[in-house]
This record gives sequence, structure tokens and C-alpha cells, in this order.
Amino acid sequence: QVQLQESGPGLVKPSETLSLTCTVSGGSVQSSFWSWVRKSPGKGLEWIGYIFNSVSSSYNPSLKSRVSISIDPSRNQVSLRMTSVTAADTAVYYCARRWGANWFDPWGQGTLVTVSS
Amino acid sequence: NFMLTQPHSVSESPGKTVSISCTGSSGSIANNYVHWYQLRPGRAPTIVIYDDNQRPSGIPDRFSGSIDSSSNSASLTISGLQTEDEADYYCQSYDSENVIFGGGTKVTVL
Repeated sequence: QVQLQESGPGLVKPSETLSLTCTVSGGSVQSSFWSWVRKSPGKGLEWIGYIFNSVSSSYNPSLKSRVSISIDPSRNQVSLRMTSVTAADTAVYYCARRWGANWFDPWGQGTLVTVSS
Repeated sequence: NFMLTQPHSVSESPGKTVSISCTGSSGSIANNYVHWYQLRPGRAPTIVIYDDNQRPSGIPDRFSGSIDSSSNSASLTISGLQTEDEADYYCQSYDSENVIFGGGTKVTVL
């Protein structure tokens, strides 16, 4: 059974780059689509993007210019990189496996990232 | 841009039935599948319905999903409401370039 665990710094300064890692256990990162989703305080869920085996990726148009997702097969990890962060990027960030018609299962527990000086 | 609208909250007593609507802003909601997630504090989000009305393994049959083309909406129905069902529920669909979530509905078990 696939399990996901997000990790990364809990605090990032404005204008800097946010980097998160999702460690996949029970399956290979090369055999599935992987996605990142976030939930800002007091707001709903927002899809960030997904990747498949480093050959195919898609991003939320509103974030596309600042976001990249990659995989590291040697560590069985999926990574998220978001540049030029602001307070609006404060959120719990989740990784999840994407299936068929764009549904997500399972999800990780999420990691809280606060953008503040 | 395509949007999904949900009621902010619903509440009902244990053992009763609640339905949560998810209304599409344009086009036909039936053109692309709708999925539903449960978010409880401190837990990983869980898919409870995928592809409009399919229930994943492990999700009780108290959860069901449907599409109503006449109102351009999807619905999640929880019957035999239990205290453990108290959570936020989000619908989700997609278009040609984006994945879209509804704003979420808080279900309170009275």
C-alpha cells in the first residue's frame, strides 16, 4: 500500500524559494502520476500541479510561472519548488497520487509552510 | 474560468441523511467526472467518491454520489450519519488545463 510523507522547512521568508519533498513508500515514483495540492488557512484546496516519470507535467495556470515538480527515482521522492513566495503561499502542502480522471489517492498528511520574515 | 460552488455548511442529527451540492459555473458538469474528498483535522484527506459515483474500497456504502444535469450539479449524499462523518467535504473536477476544487462544505453532526 502506497504511503506518502511530505517534509521541508516550516518557515520561508518572503521572496525566497519554497522546496518540499514527498517520500513515497510501497510503490515506485516512476510508475504513477504524482501531484501537489495546498490548503491555505481559511480557504479551500488548490491544485498546484502533477508530474509523470519526468516526461509529462502540468501546472495550475495561476502558479505555472513560479512552480516546478520533479521526481528523484534514486530516493523515490517527488519534489516541489516554488519561487518568489509571498504570505499568500502560506498553506498546508499535500502530495498525492493522481489516478485516471484526475482524482487523488492516497494523500500524505501534509506539511505546514508559513511565509514570514 | 470554470468554478465549483458548494454550500458553506450543512448540519444534521446522527442517523439522518445529508446531501451536499456542487454546482458548475459553466458548461455541463456531466462533461467531466466529479470526485469528492473528506478532510478531518490532523488526518490525510481521503477520497470518498470518484468518477461521479464510484466508491473506493473501504468507504462505507452510506456515501454515494450523483450528477443532475438539469441543475448542472453533482451531489454527495451521506446516509445514516455518524459522528465520525463530521468533516469538511470538497468536490473536485477538471477542464482542459486545470484541476478545480469547490470551496468546501463543513458537515456538522448535531
